[in-house]
Amino acid sequence: IAGITQAPTSQILAAGRRMTLRCTQDMRHNAMYWYRQDLGLGLRLIHYSNTAGTTGKGEVPDGYSVSRANTDDFPLTLASAVPSQTSVYFCASSGTPGNTGELFFGEGSRLTVL
Amino acid sequence: GQNIDQPTEMTATEGAIVQINCTYQTSGFNGLFWYQQHAGEAPTFLSYNVLDGLEEKGRFSSFLSRSKGYSYLLLKELQMKDSASYLCAVPDSNYQLIWGAGTKLIIKP
Repeated sequence: IAGITQAPTSQILAAGRRMTLRCTQDMRHNAMYWYRQDLGLGLRLIHYSNTAGTTGKGEVPDGYSVSRANTDDFPLTLASAVPSQTSVYFCASSGTPGNTGELFFGEGSRLTVL
Repeated sequence: GQNIDQPTEMTATEGAIVQINCTYQTSGFNGLFWYQQHAGEAPTFLSYNVLDGLEEKGRFSSFLSRSKGYSYLLLKELQMKDSASYLCAVPDSNYQLIWGAGTKLIIKP
Protein backbone atom coordinates (compact mmCIF):
# COMPACT_ATOMS: atom_id res chain seq x y z
CA ILE A 1 0.00 0.00 0.00
CA ALA A 2 1.78 3.15 -1.17
CA GLY A 3 -0.60 5.91 -0.07
CA ILE A 4 1.23 9.14 -0.84
CA THR A 5 4.67 9.21 -2.38
CA GLN A 6 6.86 12.30 -2.36
CA ALA A 7 10.11 12.88 -4.24
CA PRO A 8 12.82 13.78 -3.67
CA THR A 9 13.20 12.83 0.00
CA SER A 10 15.92 15.40 0.43
CA GLN A 11 17.50 18.03 -1.78
CA ILE A 12 20.12 20.77 -1.50
CA LEU A 13 19.50 23.55 -3.95
CA ALA A 14 21.32 26.73 -4.95
CA ALA A 15 19.37 29.96 -4.58
CA GLY A 16 17.75 31.05 -7.82
CA ARG A 17 17.29 27.53 -9.15
CA ARG A 18 13.93 26.10 -10.11
CA MET A 19 12.74 23.05 -8.22
CA THR A 20 9.69 20.80 -8.46
CA LEU A 21 8.63 18.56 -5.59
CA ARG A 22 6.58 15.64 -6.77
CA CYS A 23 3.57 14.14 -4.99
CA THR A 24 1.53 11.14 -6.11
CA GLN A 25 -1.33 9.39 -4.33
CA ASP A 26 -3.04 6.12 -5.14
CA MET A 27 -6.08 6.47 -2.88
CA ARG A 28 -8.20 8.34 -5.45
CA HIS A 29 -8.65 11.19 -2.98
CA ASN A 30 -10.16 14.36 -4.40
CA ALA A 31 -8.43 16.84 -2.09
CA MET A 32 -4.65 17.37 -1.94
CA TYR A 33 -2.49 19.82 -0.01
CA TRP A 34 1.04 21.10 0.28
CA TYR A 35 2.34 22.19 3.69
CA ARG A 36 5.66 23.42 4.94
CA GLN A 37 6.86 22.70 8.45
CA ASP A 38 9.44 24.87 10.19
CA LEU A 39 10.87 24.50 13.67
CA GLY A 40 8.67 26.17 16.28
CA LEU A 41 5.84 26.79 13.84
CA GLY A 42 2.78 24.77 13.01
CA LEU A 43 2.25 23.26 9.60
CA ARG A 44 1.44 26.04 7.16
CA LEU A 45 -0.65 25.51 4.06
CA ILE A 46 0.99 26.59 0.81
CA HIS A 47 -1.55 25.52 -1.83
CA TYR A 48 -4.42 23.10 -2.03
CA SER A 49 -6.64 21.42 -4.58
CA ASN A 50 -10.17 20.26 -3.81
CA THR A 51 -10.46 18.31 -7.05
CA ALA A 52 -8.57 17.70 -10.27
CA GLY A 53 -8.38 20.84 -12.40
CA THR A 54 -8.74 23.27 -9.49
CA THR A 55 -6.22 24.82 -7.10
CA GLY A 56 -6.30 27.42 -4.34
CA LYS A 57 -3.89 29.49 -2.32
CA GLY A 58 -3.18 28.72 1.29
CA GLU A 59 -1.58 30.75 4.05
CA VAL A 60 1.92 31.08 2.48
CA PRO A 61 1.61 30.76 -1.33
CA ASP A 62 4.20 33.34 -2.46
CA GLY A 63 7.10 31.86 -4.40
CA TYR A 64 5.27 28.57 -5.01
CA SER A 65 2.98 27.25 -7.73
CA VAL A 66 1.01 24.03 -8.14
CA SER A 67 -0.94 22.21 -10.80
CA ARG A 68 -3.54 19.43 -10.64
CA ALA A 69 -3.81 17.90 -14.09
CA ASN A 70 -5.25 14.64 -12.73
CA THR A 71 -6.47 13.10 -9.48
CA ASP A 72 -3.22 11.40 -8.54
CA ASP A 73 -0.52 14.04 -9.03
CA PHE A 74 0.01 17.38 -7.31
CA PRO A 75 3.48 18.82 -7.97
CA LEU A 76 4.79 21.89 -6.14
CA THR A 77 7.18 24.19 -8.00
CA LEU A 78 9.58 26.78 -6.64
CA ALA A 79 10.27 29.03 -9.62
CA SER A 80 13.37 30.67 -8.15
CA ALA A 81 14.35 29.24 -4.78
CA VAL A 82 15.36 31.50 -1.89
CA PRO A 83 16.98 30.53 1.45
CA SER A 84 13.72 31.25 3.35
CA GLN A 85 12.19 28.33 1.49
CA THR A 86 14.46 25.95 3.36
CA SER A 87 11.95 23.71 5.11
CA VAL A 88 10.36 20.30 5.26
CA TYR A 89 7.52 20.01 2.78
CA PHE A 90 4.63 17.63 3.29
CA CYS A 91 2.07 16.63 0.70
CA ALA A 92 -1.26 15.36 2.03
CA SER A 93 -4.56 14.12 0.71
CA SER A 94 -8.07 13.69 2.01
CA GLY A 95 -11.08 11.81 0.76
CA THR A 96 -13.27 14.52 2.25
CA PRO A 97 -12.87 18.00 0.73
CA GLY A 98 -12.98 20.90 3.12
CA ASN A 99 -10.74 19.44 5.79
CA THR A 100 -13.44 17.66 7.74
CA GLY A 101 -11.83 14.29 7.27
CA GLU A 102 -8.56 12.60 8.05
CA LEU A 103 -5.48 13.83 6.23
CA PHE A 104 -2.97 11.30 4.90
CA PHE A 105 0.57 12.62 4.64
CA GLY A 106 3.55 11.73 2.53
CA GLU A 107 6.90 11.17 4.22
CA GLY A 108 8.08 14.70 3.49
CA SER A 109 10.72 16.37 1.34
CA ARG A 110 13.54 18.12 3.16
CA LEU A 111 14.70 21.08 1.07
CA THR A 112 17.77 23.20 1.80
CA VAL A 113 18.31 26.35 -0.23
CA LEU A 114 21.81 27.80 -0.04
CA GLY B 1 -8.42 35.71 13.49
CA GLN B 2 -7.50 32.10 14.02
CA ASN B 3 -5.16 31.05 16.79
CA ILE B 4 -4.16 27.79 18.41
CA ASP B 5 -2.08 27.44 21.57
CA GLN B 6 -0.37 24.33 22.88
CA PRO B 7 2.44 23.87 25.39
CA THR B 8 5.79 23.59 23.63
CA GLU B 9 7.10 20.60 25.56
CA MET B 10 6.01 18.18 28.27
CA THR B 11 7.78 15.39 30.12
CA ALA B 12 6.14 12.31 31.61
CA THR B 13 7.12 8.94 33.00
CA GLU B 14 6.59 5.59 31.35
CA GLY B 15 3.37 3.99 32.61
CA ALA B 16 1.87 7.29 33.76
CA ILE B 17 -0.91 9.48 32.36
CA VAL B 18 -0.39 12.80 30.59
CA GLN B 19 -2.83 15.46 29.40
CA ILE B 20 -1.90 17.73 26.50
CA ASN B 21 -4.02 20.86 26.27
CA CYS B 22 -5.01 22.89 23.24
CA THR B 23 -6.90 26.18 23.20
CA TYR B 24 -8.21 27.68 20.00
CA GLN B 25 -9.91 30.77 18.64
CA THR B 26 -11.81 30.48 15.39
CA SER B 27 -14.67 32.21 13.64
CA GLY B 28 -17.15 29.37 13.52
CA PHE B 29 -16.28 25.81 14.47
CA ASN B 30 -15.94 22.75 12.25
CA GLY B 31 -14.25 20.24 14.49
CA LEU B 32 -10.82 19.74 16.06
CA PHE B 33 -8.13 17.28 15.06
CA TRP B 34 -5.24 15.69 16.91
CA TYR B 35 -2.27 14.24 15.05
CA GLN B 36 0.86 12.46 16.24
CA GLN B 37 4.23 13.11 14.64
CA HIS B 38 7.35 11.15 15.49
CA ALA B 39 10.64 12.93 14.88
CA GLY B 40 11.57 12.91 11.22
CA GLU B 41 8.28 11.36 10.18
CA ALA B 42 4.93 12.47 8.79
CA PRO B 43 1.96 13.36 11.00
CA THR B 44 -0.61 10.62 11.50
CA PHE B 45 -4.25 11.05 12.47
CA LEU B 46 -5.29 10.37 16.06
CA SER B 47 -8.75 11.85 16.58
CA TYR B 48 -11.44 14.22 15.38
CA ASN B 49 -13.92 15.86 17.78
CA VAL B 50 -16.91 17.86 16.62
CA LEU B 51 -19.20 17.48 19.65
CA ASP B 52 -18.50 18.29 23.29
CA GLY B 53 -17.27 15.51 25.52
CA LEU B 54 -14.71 12.77 25.76
CA GLU B 55 -14.00 10.26 23.02
CA GLU B 56 -11.95 7.26 23.97
CA LYS B 57 -9.84 5.22 21.58
CA GLY B 58 -7.71 2.68 23.38
CA ARG B 59 -5.01 4.35 25.45
CA PHE B 60 -5.76 7.71 23.84
CA SER B 61 -8.77 9.92 24.58
CA SER B 62 -9.67 13.35 23.27
CA PHE B 63 -11.91 15.89 24.98
CA LEU B 64 -13.63 18.94 23.53
CA SER B 65 -15.43 21.94 25.05
CA ARG B 66 -16.69 24.21 22.28
CA SER B 67 -17.93 26.89 24.69
CA LYS B 68 -14.44 27.19 26.21
CA GLY B 69 -12.48 26.79 22.96
CA TYR B 70 -10.57 24.00 24.64
CA SER B 71 -9.49 20.46 23.94
CA TYR B 72 -7.12 18.00 25.48
CA LEU B 73 -5.51 14.74 24.49
CA LEU B 74 -5.19 12.21 27.30
CA LEU B 75 -2.60 9.46 26.97
CA LYS B 76 -2.75 6.60 29.47
CA GLU B 77 -0.25 3.86 30.32
CA LEU B 78 2.49 5.77 28.57
CA GLN B 79 4.97 3.83 26.52
CA MET B 80 8.36 4.93 25.23
CA LYS B 81 6.98 4.84 21.69
CA ASP B 82 4.56 7.63 22.67
CA SER B 83 7.50 10.06 22.61
CA ALA B 84 6.47 12.33 19.75
CA SER B 85 4.97 15.69 18.96
CA TYR B 86 1.21 16.05 19.23
CA LEU B 87 -0.43 18.52 16.88
CA CYS B 88 -3.79 20.21 17.38
CA ALA B 89 -5.61 21.61 14.32
CA VAL B 90 -8.92 23.27 13.50
CA PRO B 91 -10.46 24.24 10.13
CA ASP B 92 -10.73 27.96 9.44
CA SER B 93 -13.69 29.69 7.80
CA ASN B 94 -12.49 28.42 4.41
CA TYR B 95 -12.24 24.88 5.79
CA GLN B 96 -8.45 24.90 5.59
CA LEU B 97 -6.68 23.52 8.66
CA ILE B 98 -4.90 25.87 11.03
CA TRP B 99 -2.25 24.01 13.04
CA GLY B 100 -0.79 24.55 16.45
CA ALA B 101 3.01 24.45 16.72
CA GLY B 102 2.75 21.08 18.44
CA THR B 103 3.62 19.74 21.88
CA LYS B 104 6.78 17.67 22.12
CA LEU B 105 6.19 14.85 24.61
CA ILE B 106 9.25 13.29 26.21
CA ILE B 107 8.74 9.97 27.98
CA LYS B 108 11.27 8.98 30.62
CA PRO B 109 11.74 5.43 31.93
